[in-house]
Amino acid sequence: DAKTTQPPSMDCAEGRAANLPCNHSTISGNEYVYWYRQIHSQGPQYIIHGLKNNETNEMASLIITEDRKSSTLILPHATLRDTAVYYCIVRSASGGSYIPTFGRGTSLIVHP
Amino acid sequence: NAGVTQTPKFRVLKTGQSMTLLCAQDMNHEYMYWYRQDPGMGLRLIHYSVGEGTTAKGEVPDGYNVSRLKKQNFLLGLESAAPSQTSVYFCASRKGHQGAAGANVLTFGAGSRLTVL
Repeated sequence: DAKTTQPPSMDCAEGRAANLPCNHSTISGNEYVYWYRQIHSQGPQYIIHGLKNNETNEMASLIITEDRKSSTLILPHATLRDTAVYYCIVRSASGGSYIPTFGRGTSLIVHP
Repeated sequence: NAGVTQTPKFRVLKTGQSMTLLCAQDMNHEYMYWYRQDPGMGLRLIHYSVGEGTTAKGEVPDGYNVSRLKKQNFLLGLESAAPSQTSVYFCASRKGHQGAAGANVLTFGAGSRLTVL
């Protein structure tokens, strides 16, 4: 699975869009990008995933560059409850026995 | 639909005591994982299972044992607890069917906070 690189921390004003980048320059053609977040002391929570098209759900939007070497998770109107650590993971859909690996992610602080 | 349930949520042990953490999922998932998370660190995989009756070592397996006798349950045991095992433990599961991106989505439990004195 491709390695990912994320900034260790970011901050955002409440009500503004939070744009969290992830670099996955070694991603291969069949690998998806998955995003999770972990609110303090809670278990990580799945947010969204995508292959090459932009994706949107009720939580966030995922923008993947055309060359697929990077992506951005967008929280359109960040709230204080979005303060969390955000993890970007890359994984192919094929093959069953992969081991999900989480790095340190990006610590997002949303301030009033 | 409860998802992934971990018990207990909190536990304090003395060095040398033993205990078992239980992870139960009601989603008929094939794959289950045990992670530990220490302050300021990411999740580190302890053991995992690819199906009922199977277990395998992860990144940090020493001092832990696991069992998956039933598909829905994944038990993590500490035979002789040490202060270095003070941590928050998370269990996760996923469906695991090939060819489906959604099958790789992990569902996590709320965590079990263990303190070893």
